[in-house]
Amino acid sequence: AQTVTQSQPEMSVQEAETVTLSCTYDTSESDYYLFWYKQPPSRQMILVIRQEAYKQQNATENRFSVNFQKAAKSFSLKISDSQLGDAAMYFCAYRSGDNAGNMLTFGGGTRLMVKP
Amino acid sequence: ETGVTQTPRHLVMGMTNKKSLKCEQHLGHNAMYWYKQSAKKPLELMFVYNFKEQTENNSVPSRFSPECPNSSHLFLHLHTLQPEDSALYLCASSQDGGGVRETQYFGPGTRLLVL
Repeated sequence: AQTVTQSQPEMSVQEAETVTLSCTYDTSESDYYLFWYKQPPSRQMILVIRQEAYKQQNATENRFSVNFQKAAKSFSLKISDSQLGDAAMYFCAYRSGDNAGNMLTFGGGTRLMVKP
Repeated sequence: ETGVTQTPRHLVMGMTNKKSLKCEQHLGHNAMYWYKQSAKKPLELMFVYNFKEQTENNSVPSRFSPECPNSSHLFLHLHTLQPEDSALYLCASSQDGGGVRETQYFGPGTRLLVL
């Protein structure tokens, strides 16, 4: 079974600075997908960014980018120019690419605080 | 807004009550999911429906009973719950439960408190 680990329960960043959230996963599969979801205090889970394991290029989405290290099974999220609205819980998630369903395995989450 | 709505947003119920959670998606998706989010635990997948058929039941107790009358609506019927069932229940949908380019879109959740 796959597992996803987020080793940082809490992180804080100064507004306009850059922060990196860590995620590691364990799998024996070669084809899979990785996601970062954001859950603000409103509780709505919002997709931030996704990465296909077969792609070597790191995904980027505006101020959000990932550092995907397949050999190390690491998938960190970098937030540049942090804004107060970035404060939220961030969840890393894994999905198998074997068409056996769409089960997401989530990490425990990292609470990001943004200081003005 | 992600196109997935859930009602009610908050629910308090006794252990002998029967209640239902409702989820509706306006994205034209064919797969829908129920997740449970408890304090200090990762999100747990409960059920998956793909084209109205249940494809996953992640060892969920029978006091939780899902229903998917069509691809746009998903219910979670609750009866004789326990206090440890108090949690945030999240609904999600995706285009196709087995597609290779799947992304799940989540609703705002129902905060459930069982007394």
